[in-house]
Amino acid sequence: EAGVAQSPRYKIIEKRQSVAFWCNPISGHATLYWYQQILGQGPKLLIQFQNNGVVDDSQLPKDRFSAERLKGVDSTLKIQPAKLEDSAVYLCASSPYRGVQYGANVLTFGAGSRLTVL
Amino acid sequence: AQKITQTQPGMFVQEKEAVTLDCTYDTSDQSYGLFWYKQPSSGEMIFLIYQGSYDEQNATEGRYSLNFQKARKSANLVISASQLGDSAMYFCAMRGRDFGNEKLTFGTGTRLTIIP
Repeated sequence: EAGVAQSPRYKIIEKRQSVAFWCNPISGHATLYWYQQILGQGPKLLIQFQNNGVVDDSQLPKDRFSAERLKGVDSTLKIQPAKLEDSAVYLCASSPYRGVQYGANVLTFGAGSRLTVL
Repeated sequence: AQKITQTQPGMFVQEKEAVTLDCTYDTSDQSYGLFWYKQPSSGEMIFLIYQGSYDEQNATEGRYSLNFQKARKSANLVISASQLGDSAMYFCAMRGRDFGNEKLTFGTGTRLTIIP
């Protein structure tokens, strides 16, 4: 099966500019996640979608970050305006289900989009 | 709130030796899952192994095994017969409920380097 697709792989922008990242999850996966991974740290969840509804966006800086999942499939993460501290890899992941009761509900990750803000 | 702790920032291991990567966790949930992911320099997170909190036996997947000690809240990854291709970052993660929301929380990772 095809994996999680992300684009662009690399993006360099000036601070205060805007940027958008796109993610296409594995076909049929109901749950989609955006993680932010700052250099030297573990991934941090930004937002989680169940189909096209938001399940958790408690760690999303809503004054500058926004995300949507159109028709419960593709998703776009936008940053506007970008700050220096937004330099990170943005990882998209998808999983078939949601819930601890589903046991090994494994997240499959894309290759990530590396953002550098100058 | 749930928390994952990985205390080894980096490890160097001779090829063909076994290696143990440490992971401790903290949660008030009774039902949770523990995962290990590998992240090579290419950046993609690769799933390695899963252990459920109610699983009585330690999980194994090929050369990977998870040493699950529930009372100690530890979930160490053991890689047997290490290979050069095992050089990567390794992340321990826990799925559980955090303030009512099911969430996958990652540790800070361990960079493993296999020496020929």
